[in-house]
Amino acid sequence: DTAVSQTPKYLVTQMGNDKSIKCEQNLGHDTMYWYKQDSKKFLKIMFSYNNKELIINETVPNRFSPKSPDKAHLNLHINSLELGDSAVYFCASSRQGAKETQYFGPGTRLLVL
Amino acid sequence: DQQVKQNSPSLSVQEGRISILNCDYTNSMFDYFLWYKKYPAEGPTFLISISSIKDKNEDGRFTVFLNKSAKHLSLHIVPSQPGDSAVYFCAASYTGNQFYFGTGTSLTVIP
Repeated sequence: DTAVSQTPKYLVTQMGNDKSIKCEQNLGHDTMYWYKQDSKKFLKIMFSYNNKELIINETVPNRFSPKSPDKAHLNLHINSLELGDSAVYFCASSRQGAKETQYFGPGTRLLVL
Repeated sequence: DQQVKQNSPSLSVQEGRISILNCDYTNSMFDYFLWYKKYPAEGPTFLISISSIKDKNEDGRFTVFLNKSAKHLSLHIVPSQPGDSAVYFCAASYTGNQFYFGTGTSLTVIP
């Protein structure tokens, strides 16, 4: 009965490949996020969607494109993967509104070789 | 530019004693602060929050203190239990849903 789920949990791929990470939440939340945790353990927001509409887009390479088919899903597609993309990617969701608690998925560990 | 900093990457405490985790921030516009707890191979889970209109918030064994003039907050866990061993992230916000996270402090509670 997972609230925020991500697939896959682990992803090992070659440089230059295109990959997608899927995220689903069953909490009925309106807002979803993608975070990246790099090797220095710094957890940084990448994107935020509210009711399928992009509201936060931090400085992220164009190779990263979020897609929200409905408000329960926010997928992350990455083109032309680079070594520096290796990180743990967390999806999260919250109710709409300022300062609402965010609920995180278990993370997807991406390793680019 | 890291606006939220946790300068201690790790902390070890004896079971039953107090754990104090510290967090500093640079942006004086921050008005809402949270602590998240993270176990290995899991996502962070919300622990406790505090608004800038307060200087203390308590929830069971967990208390968060906020010192706005020093731009500093701390999380106290009393008494510490082995199950508290995890990575603790501090986060801050001043607008909407955007939170800025620290790099985390790994707490080990020794039985």
